[in-house]
Amino acid sequence: KAGVTQTPRYLIKTRGQQVTLSCSPISGHRSVSWYQQTPGQGLQFLFEYFSETQRNKGNFPGRFSGRQFSNSRSEMNVSTLELGDSALYLCASSSQAQTNSPLHFGNGTRLTVT
Amino acid sequence: LAKTTQPISMDSYEGQEVNITCSHNNIATNDYITWYQQFPSQGPRFIIQGYKTKVTNEVASLFIPADRKSSTLSLPRVSLSDTAVYYCLVGDGSSNTGKLIFGQGTTLQVKP
Repeated sequence: KAGVTQTPRYLIKTRGQQVTLSCSPISGHRSVSWYQQTPGQGLQFLFEYFSETQRNKGNFPGRFSGRQFSNSRSEMNVSTLELGDSALYLCASSSQAQTNSPLHFGNGTRLTVT
Repeated sequence: LAKTTQPISMDSYEGQEVNITCSHNNIATNDYITWYQQFPSQGPRFIIQGYKTKVTNEVASLFIPADRKSSTLSLPRVSLSDTAVYYCLVGDGSSNTGKLIFGQGTTLQVKP
């Protein structure tokens, strides 16, 4: 079974631009969640989608948004990029949208904002 | 959901057994304990999950005492490739995955 795939692997953007990141979950997994990882803040939850519906949202500004398609693939978008948005963005899928369902992570998209 | 506390870092040598303990004093009846491993520039990888007593798989064991207020991840005979950050998480099976908190984790350094 193929793992979680995130594209692109690396991205360099300029302040003020917007960016879209993509995540393909493990086949059959309906829950996709997104995390931001920085050296200072660690892994922080962004949002989670289950069957195309956003079920949970972390404490991030509205510039961060996402969506999930009928095939469970997900995208997240960050608008009006700031220097502080530089981070590793991780996507995880699980078979169920429950806190005790093991998360399967992709290797992330490294976003650098200059 | 219960907050977890782990040591920030640990050192070990190749071939030794490593035990990483996680404290979760406020664990609730329905909470499961899950451990993840993360290498630099990669996403965390699921290692093991348990509810009570002992769970063992091909890479690790998880020991959970009767009061469930702590748990210990045991890595037998570590190698240099086990150098990574290890996270302990507690979840109750609710759908509120946003409450899962990844703490700072334990950075394990395995030396030759």
